[in-house]
Amino acid sequence: EPEVTQTPSHQVTQMGQEVILRCVPISNHLYFYWYRQILGQKVEFLVSFYNNEISEKSEIFDDQFSVERPDGSNFTLKIRSTKLEDSAMYFCASSVSRDKYNEQFFGPGTRLTVL
Amino acid sequence: RKEVEQDPGPFNVPEGATVAFNCTYSNSASQSFFWYRQDCRKEPKLLMSVYSSGNEDGRFTAQLNRASQYISLLIRDSKLSDSATYLCVVNRNRDDKIIFGKGTRLHILP
Repeated sequence: EPEVTQTPSHQVTQMGQEVILRCVPISNHLYFYWYRQILGQKVEFLVSFYNNEISEKSEIFDDQFSVERPDGSNFTLKIRSTKLEDSAMYFCASSVSRDKYNEQFFGPGTRLTVL
Repeated sequence: RKEVEQDPGPFNVPEGATVAFNCTYSNSASQSFFWYRQDCRKEPKLLMSVYSSGNEDGRFTAQLNRASQYISLLIRDSKLSDSATYLCVVNRNRDDKIIFGKGTRLHILP
């Protein structure tokens, strides 16, 4: 069964460093998303991406964040200068279409720890 | 009022019992609704979509009440493997965002 994959599973970084989280969405999916979940908190939407551009972003997704689809398979989230409060689980998701009834498939997540 | 609200629980329920959760949402224009399941330190996985007419999938039944702006999930004949956090998810009308509730923790007791 096709699945969303994410690397690394755990990333530890120093405050102020740049990190890139990587995702490989399901191959025939066209919409891609990033979410984060701070430990013990709810899953929060960060950004959606379609046709090589951001289609929606939340107030969390400030200038420190960027997304890119550098090739036909990878979808990355970059945090330019990490802060302690960026420590969280980051989930990538993808869906076949923008249909609001469509399931989003989630990857296993990358646990980011900022020291 | 929060966009999506759930009772955080935990619900401690004996194996074989029936358990029900509710979730309320604030945006009356919301279009689509889902229940996701999340195991500890794992990704959310879709359990079922919630349709206006209500829908059933095996032991799971979901209902939508648009007038009162809530959705419900009923689990019959609960199994130990049903222990998880159940996330109520609402898709807003005007954008691509889906809004997650904080989740309801369920513990099935042997």
